[in-house]
Amino acid sequence: AAGVIQSPRHLIKEKRETATLKCYPIPRHDTVYWYQQGPGQDPQFLISFYEKMQSDKGSIPDRFSAQQFSDYHSELNMSSLELGDSALYFCASSYQGSYNSPLHFGNGTRLTVT
Amino acid sequence: LAKTTQPISMDSYEGQEVNITCSHNNIATNDYITWYQQFPSQGPRFIIQGYKTKVTNEVASLFIPADRKSSTLSLPRVSLSDTAVYYCLVGGVDSSYKLIFGSGTRLLVRP
Repeated sequence: AAGVIQSPRHLIKEKRETATLKCYPIPRHDTVYWYQQGPGQDPQFLISFYEKMQSDKGSIPDRFSAQQFSDYHSELNMSSLELGDSALYFCASSYQGSYNSPLHFGNGTRLTVT
Repeated sequence: LAKTTQPISMDSYEGQEVNITCSHNNIATNDYITWYQQFPSQGPRFIIQGYKTKVTNEVASLFIPADRKSSTLSLPRVSLSDTAVYYCLVGGVDSSYKLIFGSGTRLLVRP
């Protein structure tokens, strides 16, 4: 079965650079979530989109922005990168038409800021 | 949003049954309880979901008492490959766009 695809798997950037992470949800899933997980920490909710509209926001820095496109894929744009942004970034998708559809996660993008 | 509380860690041995309890005292009427498993450097993986009483699938059982203020994930006959972090999430229609992970339970299965 198709799963959530994230790219790239690994990304190395320098401080103050920008990064773009991509997420391709499971076909027919209309909702995308982004999470950040630092070393040894629990996943932190960043932002979510439903039908291409932002639906909720968590602890996402102002330097980050995201959007969901017409084909339902999503991109997380990160600017002015800081050392503390080094983390695993997970995308998850679900289908809101199915009541309480569980989240399906990708395997993440590991961002290293040097 | 319902806050969840789980034990930080648990130890077990292969072949034993493991029960992980999650407290969610302010669960809302429409909230469901969902458990995820996470291995290092991998995305969390859905295990089981329930609303009340008992739910069972091929990998686990979920017990939810009548007041729904807690839930227990039961893993029968664990193996070394069950060593992972387990998260309990609570959410429903009103909060389905902002599902919050609490501090999970780190399960270590020993030979």
